[in-house]
Amino acid sequence: QKEVEQDPGPLSVPEGAIVSLNCTYSNSAFQYFMWYRQYSRKGPELLMYTYSSGNKEDGRFTAQVDKSSKYISLFIRDSQPSDSATYLCAMETGGFKTIFGAGTRLFVKA
Amino acid sequence: DGGITQSPKYLFRKEGQNVTLSCEQNLNHDAMYWYRQDPGQGLRLIYYSQIVNDFQKGDIAEGYSVSREKKESFPLTVTSAQKNPTAFYLCASSTAGTGSNQPQHFGDGTRLSIL
Repeated sequence: QKEVEQDPGPLSVPEGAIVSLNCTYSNSAFQYFMWYRQYSRKGPELLMYTYSSGNKEDGRFTAQVDKSSKYISLFIRDSQPSDSATYLCAMETGGFKTIFGAGTRLFVKA
Repeated sequence: DGGITQSPKYLFRKEGQNVTLSCEQNLNHDAMYWYRQDPGQGLRLIYYSQIVNDFQKGDIAEGYSVSREKKESFPLTVTSAQKNPTAFYLCASSTAGTGSNQPQHFGDGTRLSIL
């Protein structure tokens, strides 16, 4: 079993839809949770960074962490074609090793 | 602008050849990392370095080597011992602190292919 599981998609939604992206994990020691956005042929770009459980909002993006369920989510409101990318979840215990999900490909249709 | 620069963007390797991928950062970050990204898989850690002149193996270090002679630079050599080198290679950096964490920031990658 992988430490971090992420549905690869692809996920296709119409413009303006609310998008929900999710990851599950097995290591209860994870404390830091991140979401990265990766466009084709580019490096991942940090979108959200949260510590422990709870919600964090930044513009159209909301990150949720439920440590009791070992489940994290990224919500994108009013999705735009420019949001079409691969979204990677990532997490770590506080050391130097970050574990990444395989990524979910998102397509937002105009 | 501060950031991480990887070069070249595309690289081709012949059989039996070593190739070196460049990674330079001007973010004044102490820690630097190399990852390999294959389709359908998460990023896999090759090597990381927390300070100059020190580095540790990651999960898939076999067939790769690194050096960290300067804070700003962390080149990766893909040796002929790496039998399946075709992949997208990503360099990252972060600030380092005992007992604390800062997220990693990435360059735009080098795509390595076999001729």
